[in-house]
Amino acid sequence: QKEVEQNSGPLSVPEGAIASLNCTYSDRGSQSFFWYRQYSGKSPELIMSIYSNGDKEDGRFTAQLNKASQYVSLLIRDSQPSDSATYLCAVTDYTGANSKLTFGKGITLSVRP
Amino acid sequence: EAGVAQSPRYKIIEKRQSVAFWCNPISGHATLYWYQQILGQGPKLLIQFQNNGVVDDSQLPKDRFSAERLKGVDSTLKIQPAKLEDSAVYLCASSLNSQREQYFGPGTRLTVT
Repeated sequence: QKEVEQNSGPLSVPEGAIASLNCTYSDRGSQSFFWYRQYSGKSPELIMSIYSNGDKEDGRFTAQLNKASQYVSLLIRDSQPSDSATYLCAVTDYTGANSKLTFGKGITLSVRP
Repeated sequence: EAGVAQSPRYKIIEKRQSVAFWCNPISGHATLYWYQQILGQGPKLLIQFQNNGVVDDSQLPKDRFSAERLKGVDSTLKIQPAKLEDSAVYLCASSLNSQREQYFGPGTRLTVT
C-alpha cells in the first residue's frame, strides 16, 4: 500500500511569515510530485510540480524534493491571508503508462492578519 | 482554454436511489480520473481511463458504482443503489497523460439521506 503522509497540522502563521508544509512518501520508485491547494468547498488547484531532487521556485512558492529521504516540502514566503487553505501533497508511482496519483490527507494552513 | 466541466454541481438523493455524474475533460487530455473526496480527507481514486479504456478501477465498489468513457472524451459515473456512506464530493480530473499534472473540475457534492 503506497502511502503519502502529511502528519503535521493544522498550521497557523502570521501574515508575512514563511509557512513550511511537509510530506513524506513510502514508495521509493515515485517519480512525480505535486502540491495542490484546496479552498473550502472548492476543488484542488495545482500550484507546484517537481520531478527532480532540489528546489523549484515559482513566485512566493518553493517546492523542495529529496528522493533519498522520500521527502517533499512546500515553502510559502510572505504568507498572505489568501493563502489560508488546505494543501494536498500528491505523488505518482510509476507503472509504465498507467501511473497512479496518491494524495495525502492534506494540511490546513491559516494565515493570521 | 476551457477547464474540466462537471455536472450537476449538487445532488441530494435518498438511499437506494440511483444517480449519475457527467464529466467533460480538457480538450486533448487522454487520461481521465474520477475521485471521491470525503470531508477532511484527500481525494481517493475510483477509476482511471486512458482514452476509452480502463487502466485502474481497483478502488471502485463495482457492486454499486460504474463508469464509462465510450468515445474517449466525456465520461459518466453512476451509483446504483446509493448508500449513506456515498455522501461525498465526486471530482473529475484530466491530464495529457498519466505522468503529467492533473486538472480538476469543480466537483459534484452528493448528499445521500
